Amino acid sequence: EVQLVQSGGDLVQPGGSLRLSCAASGFAFSSSWMHWVRQPPGKGLVWVSRINSDGGSITYADSVKGRFIISRDNAKNTLYLQLNSLRAEDTAVYYCVNGGMDVWGQGTTVSVSS
Amino acid sequence: DIQMTQSPSSVSASVGDRVTITCRASQGITTSLAWYQQKPGKAPKLLIYAASSLESGVPSRFSGSGSGTDFTLTISSLQPEDFATYYCQQANSFPLTFGGGTKVEIK
Repeated sequence: EVQLVQSGGDLVQPGGSLRLSCAASGFAFSSSWMHWVRQPPGKGLVWVSRINSDGGSITYADSVKGRFIISRDNAKNTLYLQLNSLRAEDTAVYYCVNGGMDVWGQGTTVSVSS
Repeated sequence: DIQMTQSPSSVSASVGDRVTITCRASQGITTSLAWYQQKPGKAPKLLIYAASSLESGVPSRFSGSGSGTDFTLTISSLQPEDFATYYCQQANSFPLTFGGGTKVEIK
């Protein structure tokens, strides 16, 4: 079965850090681009970042550039998103998505609040 | 950045109705457009890619059309399971951007 299983969401204070993980199975993860997309409570979808298959090409949304780091471990079939210097406006459900955007993780909730 | 404008933001319809949702890009994106369906508490589901290609397993009552800046998602005969929020997304250039969503509600 093709799936992405996410973990790592939590409640964190402003200025804090968190690492999200996304474990892939059932497809050729090591040859797939991957994305992170987030959805603030009650709002629409916002693309966050993408990484190519070998991690050599990365792009970020301006809103997270310099604070978030996308990475991957192809030996473990796992995608990561390191969230640093978190702000209230980073509160959202975060989804990992494959390159074709036809496979989505279940989502993990990040809440930033004091 | 390419802005994606969806309309309407919500629509009330009955089972069996034909529903059309439009999406306009702020600049030409050829046919690099996808449509997603999202139900409450669930991840989005890809319906249409490359503006008009139906994703495997998606019912044929869903169809997409358009190119350049103007796109349409049509549900030919609305079914109870189709009540959801629909998003368009441009895949022409980074940052990828989504429309604001269209909520299809029961009349």
